[in-house]
Amino acid sequence: DAGVIQSPRHEVTEMGQEVTLRCKPISGHNSLFWYRQTMMRGLELLIYFNNNVPIDDSGMPEDRFSAKMPNASFSTLKIQPSEPRDSAVYFCASGPQSSNTEAFFGQGTRLTVV
Amino acid sequence: EDQVTQSPEALRLQEGESSSLNCSYTVSGLRGLFWYRQDPGKGPEFLFTLYSAGEEKEKERLKATLTKKESFLHITAPKPEDSATYLCAVTSNAGNMLTFGGGTRLMVKP
Repeated sequence: DAGVIQSPRHEVTEMGQEVTLRCKPISGHNSLFWYRQTMMRGLELLIYFNNNVPIDDSGMPEDRFSAKMPNASFSTLKIQPSEPRDSAVYFCASGPQSSNTEAFFGQGTRLTVV
Repeated sequence: EDQVTQSPEALRLQEGESSSLNCSYTVSGLRGLFWYRQDPGKGPEFLFTLYSAGEEKEKERLKATLTKKESFLHITAPKPEDSATYLCAVTSNAGNMLTFGGGTRLMVKP
């Protein structure tokens, strides 16, 4: 298995523009997570899907952020409009449907908003 | 709300100098405690899962242990290639999502 695949790896955009990050989870995994990592706040959970349904989105910072999972093999995280404070590394992770098992992370998307 | 605290924030060791990293947690019903390794520019890489107090797991120079309040990652005779950030995370009765600590940045000098 190729693991969790994220695209793009790097994104530089201007303030106010729409940004879409993409994730392909590991086949057969029921849970999908979006995390954001910054030096100041570490790894923070943004949203968590189970069987394509959003279960917990309490970590989504504002209405500018939205996430979808239209099917078991694809998810997007959209920021519209983007702001400089959104600059961070965004990780997607997937795991089996259980709180007892580990999640596997993608390589991340480094977002820079100028 | 689940909370995870790691210490120290950074640790510098000489090659061969054994040490331990600490992960303290407060959760509403621990389901699992996870250790990850993260190299610069990469995603966290899974190392261990611990489920109950007294449990231990080993992998090469690393050994993870668990009590009811904390976990330790023991590094025996580290090598420069062990240099990385080590992250601790928990899942609890609150759900499947991982709650992470701030990490310990380990630097091993030859």
